[in-house]
Amino acid sequence: DAGVIQSPRHEVTEMGQEVTLRCKPISGHNSLFWYRQTMMRGLELLIYFNNNVPIDDSGMPEDRFSAKMPNASFSTLKIQPSEPRDSAVYFCASSLEFRQGGGYTFGSGTRLTVV
Amino acid sequence: TQLLEQSPQFLSIQEGENLTVYCNSSSVFSSLQWYRQEPGEGPVLLVTVVTGGEVKKLKRLTFQFGDARKDSSLHITAAQPGDTGLYLCAGVNSGGGADGLTFGKGTHLIIQP
Repeated sequence: DAGVIQSPRHEVTEMGQEVTLRCKPISGHNSLFWYRQTMMRGLELLIYFNNNVPIDDSGMPEDRFSAKMPNASFSTLKIQPSEPRDSAVYFCASSLEFRQGGGYTFGSGTRLTVV
Repeated sequence: TQLLEQSPQFLSIQEGENLTVYCNSSSVFSSLQWYRQEPGEGPVLLVTVVTGGEVKKLKRLTFQFGDARKDSSLHITAAQPGDTGLYLCAGVNSGGGADGLTFGKGTHLIIQP
């Protein structure tokens, strides 16, 4: 398996533009997570899906953020409109039975810069 | 929200030295995981500890879960430059809540040759 695949690796966009981040989880994993990482706040959980259904989106900062998982092999995180404070590294992770101790497999992340 | 405090935040030592980093919380976790993250990459799982008092060894790394399942430590013996990275602990909520893993902010470790 190629692991969790995220695209793009880097994104630079102007304030106000729409940004879409993509993730392909590991085949067979039933949970998918979106995290945001900054130096100040560390890794923050934005949203997670179980069997393609959003379970907890309490970490989504505001209505500008939305996430979808149309099928078991694909998820998107969209920011519309983007703002400079959204600049961070966004990670997608997938897991099988994480509540039973299954670890997360992270993608390599998307480094987003909003200017 | 269950918080995990990691200490120290930054640590720089010479190759060959021993070190211990800590992960503490006031909350109980059903299990706790340690990850290592290198620049430009995502965190990689090192170990999961489940039972209070559990000790796991991974070559020169020793992980311990506190008896009350509120804290954990990572001890590295004879540190090598390849151990450099961000070490993150993460807890699985024991209360049956819907949130995913809660991560600490990590310990930035630099091993100088």
